[in-house]
Amino acid sequence: SAVISQKPSRDICQRGTSLTIQCQVDSQVTMMFWYRQQPGQSLTLIATANQGSEATYESGFVIDKFPISRPNLTFSTLTVSNMSPEDSSIYLCSVEVASYEQYFGPGTRLTVT
Amino acid sequence: GENVEQHPSTLSVQEGDSAVIKCTYSDSASNYFPWYKQELGKRPQLIIDIRSNVGEKKDQRIAVTLNKTAKHFSLHITETQPEDSAVYFCAASRSNYQLIWGAGTKLIIKP
Repeated sequence: SAVISQKPSRDICQRGTSLTIQCQVDSQVTMMFWYRQQPGQSLTLIATANQGSEATYESGFVIDKFPISRPNLTFSTLTVSNMSPEDSSIYLCSVEVASYEQYFGPGTRLTVT
Repeated sequence: GENVEQHPSTLSVQEGDSAVIKCTYSDSASNYFPWYKQELGKRPQLIIDIRSNVGEKKDQRIAVTLNKTAKHFSLHITETQPEDSAVYFCAASRSNYQLIWGAGTKLIIKP
């Protein structure tokens, strides 16, 4: 497995502002993923962040709204830009430790007012 | 498109009884099938997984079975305990090392 941390754990933000979420892992990993999870819902993949290349976004998510950085093999950030109340959710990062085997960070609970 | 169907959405069992959650996938290229447990307010935790070269895998009270021909796999929990209460998610692999997720099953263990 891996030890994964996320910052912040929660935040309350005003609409129109941006928030950057950090994900740190204790070992080098190639693949990192960013998910969104609404209360009582399943996991929705936002993007795949592969070190050294541009993030790959899923349908419905765009780079201008959710820019991602992946500067090295242990760290990634997701920014939620120009936030609206609809962006209120839990944001989770995960890392691939072995072929397809993913482990999750503790999540960031975002509330937009 | 690719999808994973998970049933039931809610499962209530008596403590000590067994629980079975089933998932069906559509992509015949899927070859990795994990199960995650998510307790309220916590992160999803990988509890067991199976790859397509085996039909069954057990770890103490939990087991997963895979039928590649029928494209379905199941999670079995025996001798259920109160701490088994959680939401369980199945998933299936797709290209680019990604997973396709089921909708989740809320498992309730009645004392």
